[in-house]
Amino acid sequence: QVQLQQSGPGLVKPSQTLSLTCAISGDSVSSNNAAWNWIRQSPSRGLEWLGRTYYRSKWYSDYAVSVKSRITINSDTSKNQFSLQLSSVTPEDTAVYYCTRGWGYTSWGQGTLVTVSS
Amino acid sequence: EIVLTQSPGTLSLSPGERAALSCRASQSVSNSHLAWYQQKPGQAPRLLIYGASSRATGIPDRFSGSGSGTDFTLTISRLEPEDFAVYFCQQYASSHTFGQGTRLEIK
Repeated sequence: QVQLQQSGPGLVKPSQTLSLTCAISGDSVSSNNAAWNWIRQSPSRGLEWLGRTYYRSKWYSDYAVSVKSRITINSDTSKNQFSLQLSSVTPEDTAVYYCTRGWGYTSWGQGTLVTVSS
Repeated sequence: EIVLTQSPGTLSLSPGERAALSCRASQSVSNSHLAWYQQKPGQAPRLLIYGASSRATGIPDRFSGSGSGTDFTLTISRLEPEDFAVYFCQQYASSHTFGQGTRLEIK
């Protein structure tokens, strides 16, 4: 059973960078048949896929058009985890952020409420 | 981007009744790459159905998914008290997008 454990701050100031990490147990971040996603959920935007990273002999990442200029998703094989960085945040980025596994998401992190406020 | 529209917005039914939730896509979802999730307050969504009709591990057989192309349905054959929640569809054929959700409430 794959478990995902999220960590990171719940409060970020406007214009700064939001950073979250998702630690994986029960699978490998470099598995050849998995993908690792970041999703967010807010009352105004609903559920929104932000991007993913996956390994197929080399690393790939792809991102939602809405955040493409501001987002980076990286993997850390030594710690078996992946991370989200979202730069130049505004209050509209306030949401619950989730990490997930797969395409139909079989595993979810516990969620992190990130508030963008000064 | 594929836009998913769920209907109805809210469905009021009683335990034991049958529920049918609709998800309509703005363009065809290739390979039936469509999933359904259940979400309860304060929890992450839980995968119910993937590939339009395959039940995820541990999901009771009263949940079933059907459809292809642009029209998909989640059916709950006999509602149990724990089934009252919000349900989302998601497509993963072209990027990933979600519907806005259907709230299933007790009548």
